[in-house]
Formats: sequence, structure tokens, C-alpha cells
Amino acid sequence: AQRVTQPEKLLSVFKGAPVELKCNYSYSGSPELFWYVQYSRQRLQLLLRHISRESIKGFTADLNKGETSFHLKKPFAQEEDSAMYYCALSGQGAQKLVFGQGTRLTINP
Amino acid sequence: GAGVSQSPSNKVTEKGKDVELRCDPISGHTALYWYRQSLGQGLEFLIYFQGNSAPDKSGLPSDRFSAERTGGSVSTLTIQRTQQEDSAVYLCASSFRLDVETQYFGPGTRLTVL
Repeated sequence: AQRVTQPEKLLSVFKGAPVELKCNYSYSGSPELFWYVQYSRQRLQLLLRHISRESIKGFTADLNKGETSFHLKKPFAQEEDSAMYYCALSGQGAQKLVFGQGTRLTINP
Repeated sequence: GAGVSQSPSNKVTEKGKDVELRCDPISGHTALYWYRQSLGQGLEFLIYFQGNSAPDKSGLPSDRFSAERTGGSVSTLTIQRTQQEDSAVYLCASSFRLDVETQYFGPGTRLTVL
């Protein structure tokens, strides 16, 4: 079974501090992992995907197959990073995404 | 160049009534998804349409839920005999066939069952 776990429902850090949003997954094959973000009063949108190996808005995420994790990191948080973040998984040949429960990130000034 | 649109934006109904939620995907997107976003439950997959293939209904929580996609474009999610636990934001998303994981989401329909 495919499962995505985001252990923190709420995360609060100060501006300029490092931030890490945790994501663990359960899947027997080779998954594709994603982070989606929903800013206040905006639509849910793709932030980044592990196969791209890119940094978006200063965020990066590394797929660790040994630990079955895909944590989202940013070295210096900004107030505009405050949002709801969802980790998602797509299995091999699968056509749908399985989402975690989300983490609400608040950046304090 | 409009994105995914959904209607109505808000729907208040009484327990036991039927409701229909509409989704207009981005033109040219062959894949369409319905999700439910409820407090504490995150995003739950409901149903997925891809072109003319049979839909993946594996996420529908009960037989009170059904969805159609007419002409490979507009989709309607129907909830019969609504219950209070159906209260949630219902999100629609669409994507290109060759990049199904990059899903473009609509603004959602907030359903409140009294």
C-alpha cells in the first residue's frame, strides 16, 4: 500500500531560521515524490519534484530511499513561505497522487 | 488561458439532499482528478479520469459518491443523500497525459451539510 506521512501538522519558525518539513513514505517500488504548496487564499500548486533535483524558492528536497523520506528544507525561512505544504507520492505506472495530511508552516517575523 | 474552474464556490445543503459539483479542466488536459480536503484528513483522492479509459474510482468513500466526465472535458461529482461528514472542500485538478503528476488545481467547492 502507498502511504505518505507528514508527522507535523503545525510548524512554526522565525524568519531567517532554517526550516525542515518532514515527509516519510511507504511504497515497495520506486516512487516519485513531490511537494505541493497552498498559500493563503491561493490554489494548491506544485512546488518541486524529486526527479528535477531543482531548488524552487530556495527549497530543496532529497529522496532518501534508505530512510524512505523526502524532507523539504530551506536554510533561511522567509515570511512569504508561510503556507500549507503537502508531500505526495506517485507509484510506478500509477496515474494518481497519494498525499500526506499536510503541514502548516508559519514563519514568525 | 484560464485555469481549472469549479462551481459553485460554496454550497450549503441539508442532510439527505443530493448535490452536484462541477469542474472545468484546463483545455487540452486529458487527466482529471477529484480530491476531498477536510480538516485533519489532508487531501483524499476520490476519482481519476484519463481520456476515454475507465475511471479509477478506488477513492470514492461510499456508493453515495459518483462522478462523470462528459466529452472528455467537464466533470460532475454527485453526492447523494448527503451526510454531515461529507462537509469538506472538494478539489478538482487536471493534467497533461504525459505529465500526470503536475496537477493543476481548481479553487475548490466548499460543501457544508447541515
